[in-house]
Amino acid sequence: QVQLVQSGAEVKKPGASVTVSCKASGYSFTGHYIHWVRQAPGRGLEWMGWIDPNSGNTDSAQKFQDWVTLTRDTSRSTTYMELTNLGSDDTAFYFCARILRGSSGFDIWGQGTLVTVSS
Amino acid sequence: QSALTQPASVSGSLGEPITISCTGTSGDVGGYNYLSWYQSHPGKAPNLIIFDVTKRPSGVSNRFSGSKSGNTASLTISGLQAEDEADYYCCTYAGNSIWLFGGGTKVTVL
Repeated sequence: QVQLVQSGAEVKKPGASVTVSCKASGYSFTGHYIHWVRQAPGRGLEWMGWIDPNSGNTDSAQKFQDWVTLTRDTSRSTTYMELTNLGSDDTAFYFCARILRGSSGFDIWGQGTLVTVSS
Repeated sequence: QSALTQPASVSGSLGEPITISCTGTSGDVGGYNYLSWYQSHPGKAPNLIIFDVTKRPSGVSNRFSGSKSGNTASLTISGLQAEDEADYYCCTYAGNSIWLFGGGTKVTVL
């Protein structure tokens, strides 16, 4: 079964960092880019960035470039998204998603990880 | 870059068709055929319903169809059903390895 399984919910204080993991199974981990998307409460989907699990190359939306780090561990078929210097407006569900190769569809999604930032 | 423009809400009666628009620029929607649509419920993972402007993944109802003209893409739901009530998002490649989502449209079935 093709799936992405994310780590559990996190509660962090302002200024802290958080790392969310996304473990792939049921397909070739290095065959598909992984993208990260977030959704704040009552807000829309916001694209954050991507990682190529094969090369480790990444790119991200301009607003996230200084405080999001995407990495992967090919031995664990897992990608990681680290957010630093959290603020209250970073409270959101964070999703990883696989993109179809050579195409535009995010066809497999993780279940989402709720990150709550609160003092 | 700004989010793509979608109407905040669209409503329709059971069995009737509705269309959701997604407007961008020549640098994103108009420049590439890498555009997809997602059905979403708050706090849950979105579900891919259209990719590459017009293609439908296996298992997705043929009541969903996509199109594009210039800088505006459209999602049409023919024969609206109660289970179609959800939020819908478009997403496009915008060049330079960047992707953009639309602001989302809430579909209400009357």
